[in-house]
Amino acid sequence: DTGVSQDPRHKITKRGQNVTFRCDPISEHNRLYWYRQTLGQGPEFLTYFQNEAQLEKSRLLSDRFSAERPKGSFSTLEIQRTEQGDSAMYLCASSLGGTSGRIYNEQFFGPGTRLTVL
Amino acid sequence: RKEVEQDPGPFNVPEGATVAFNCTYSNSASQSFFWYRQDCRKEPKLLMSVYSSGNEDGRFTAQLNRASQYISLLIRDSKLSDSATYLCVSGMRFGAGTRLTVKP
Repeated sequence: DTGVSQDPRHKITKRGQNVTFRCDPISEHNRLYWYRQTLGQGPEFLTYFQNEAQLEKSRLLSDRFSAERPKGSFSTLEIQRTEQGDSAMYLCASSLGGTSGRIYNEQFFGPGTRLTVL
Repeated sequence: RKEVEQDPGPFNVPEGATVAFNCTYSNSASQSFFWYRQDCRKEPKLLMSVYSSGNEDGRFTAQLNRASQYISLLIRDSKLSDSATYLCVSGMRFGAGTRLTVKP
């Protein structure tokens, strides 16, 4: 399977614990995105990378959230001191960089990691 | 105000109906627009890109009005399999989605 993969698919944790999620993008994609989605809402942008550089981070993202893409391939999203409000589906997507004057190309999404904070 | 606003829905239509979804975006500098489809408990998947001149893909037609910062999606001859949530996208920003149910 050459699609976007995410691990784990489900995570249950207690409030105050730290969690880390991993995303493996499509191999030739240089851009990687993280989103959060709650029931009845669309994906909420968190951050994105072009290769290993984190180019944009949502102002809504608290300091408890951090993401890395150290070698420009897989990425990790860490949430420190989790809160019940962090419970959501965390989606990763990848794409090729903008071409032909367009900034963003089609994003391919992984299956997501569902986080439940008790 | 959200960066991308969509019709709240839900839309419940009979098979064969024509249905239109609307969306507005706030970032006038945005250059990339899309419609994604999301089935229940699945990840979003691209339905179609939206170009300034308007574009059609089978039963689906997308329009972009840059002056009004408005995007639309028209679905003709609705099928049961079109039942899903349709997400409007400006750049990397998604709308909340509009739920469509097509009934026999």
